[in-house]
Amino acid sequence: DTEVTQTPKHLVMGMTNKKSLKCEQHMGHRAMYWYKQKAKKPPELMFVYSYEKLSINESVPSRFSPECPNSSLLNLHLHALQPEDSALYLCASSLRTGSSTDTQYFGPGTRLTVL
Amino acid sequence: AQSVTQLGSHVSVSEGALVLLRCNYSSSVPPYLFWYVQYPNQGLQLLLKYTSAATLVKGINGFEAEFKKSETSFHLTKPSAHMSDAAEYFCAVSDPNSGYALNFGKGTSLLVTP
Repeated sequence: DTEVTQTPKHLVMGMTNKKSLKCEQHMGHRAMYWYKQKAKKPPELMFVYSYEKLSINESVPSRFSPECPNSSLLNLHLHALQPEDSALYLCASSLRTGSSTDTQYFGPGTRLTVL
Repeated sequence: AQSVTQLGSHVSVSEGALVLLRCNYSSSVPPYLFWYVQYPNQGLQLLLKYTSAATLVKGINGFEAEFKKSETSFHLTKPSAHMSDAAEYFCAVSDPNSGYALNFGKGTSLLVTP
């Protein structure tokens, strides 16, 4: 089973709200990723987790706070977002980090709208 | 950083015609290259990847790509387009500067006409 699940599918939030996105995989992968994809654009890397530790933060604003409670679960906590943060948020996982050839498996994404 | 460039943001082909989507890479070391497809309102699905084992790579749904070092290219082809191939296609390279996360090209939107 090569499935990455993400919840919720859609999320609408105000600029003062606090919400969380959830990502789950049961493939035994030890690397997990958050990407942000604006409309008609390619995905852009936000964070990389390796063995449940944050290894890469691509200068993402602090209103986005990632968390990896265990090897199967990745959260993205959202607070005080701006309308320009509206996008599709994609989670991905791969067997290892530090491997140039491992396939990244993507979830279906959460469509976020910030009002 | 390693990067890829996709030539043509939109490609239109007739059903049954050859599909050719272009990707060129920029890398000072051997690159590891991927093609992903994204259907509307969905995540990305891997079509194929180049890992230096073979220059001609076969993928899912009848797609294949050939790695040409002399041309720094990794173009995606399919002999006969189906209506179901209409989607956004992304070429990507794994970037050692970001834990081998993916750097994507800008994408090519494939339209298949009857």
